[in-house]
Amino acid sequence: DIQLTQSPSSLYASVGDRVTITCRASQPISKFLNWYQQRPGKAPNLLIYGATNLQDGVPSRFSGSGSGTEFTLTIYGLRPEDFGTYYCQQSYSPRTFGQGTKVEVK
Amino acid sequence: EVLLVQSGAEVKKPGESLKISCKTSGYNFITYWIAWVRQRPGKGLEWMGIIDPRDSDTRYSRSFEGHVTISADRSSRTAYLQWNSLKASDTATYYCARQAYSSSAALDPWGQGTQVIVSS
Repeated sequence: DIQLTQSPSSLYASVGDRVTITCRASQPISKFLNWYQQRPGKAPNLLIYGATNLQDGVPSRFSGSGSGTEFTLTIYGLRPEDFGTYYCQQSYSPRTFGQGTKVEVK
Repeated sequence: EVLLVQSGAEVKKPGESLKISCKTSGYNFITYWIAWVRQRPGKGLEWMGIIDPRDSDTRYSRSFEGHVTISADRSSRTAYLQWNSLKASDTATYYCARQAYSSSAALDPWGQGTQVIVSS
């Protein structure tokens, strides 16, 4: 199965910061990569699909880039409601998730 | 509005059986696959498997094949996840989610989750 490795595993940030999370695939997956946000105690929520496409209703401060084996989720101007855990997920082969990146208050 | 509403929390003993549900509304049930995802306490998301409600074609992650069964009932627009013999290691929150029809196969929306506790 394709392995997804997210970095960092956790980070501390302040409101207004730009935050970047990386997801690396163990083999090329074209743009079959999705990003989710999970707030504590809640179900995950789709942010980005197909590596770069913003899901309807998701604020434009979220942006996805990349293809092949390296992908990035960037949050421009972190807001209080953005603290939580972010997961990448590949849909190229048997589906797998990255291990998650926890974004915490500095 | 597309909704996936899951059954309530369960407390079971090791060896017992269990079937949890995911009732859908707001779209054509047979058009979209439904996935199940596990999240153990304090841990990340794990893909379990997926079902096509049109013909019940089911695919399992290798980690879960043989231990759980995914099914769907078209008449009630509901997907199910079941165990014949629970283990303590099955303690987790289980989510269902609709898989997008597009090539991205993204999961959206998700159910609210069903917490399962297995303890003697």
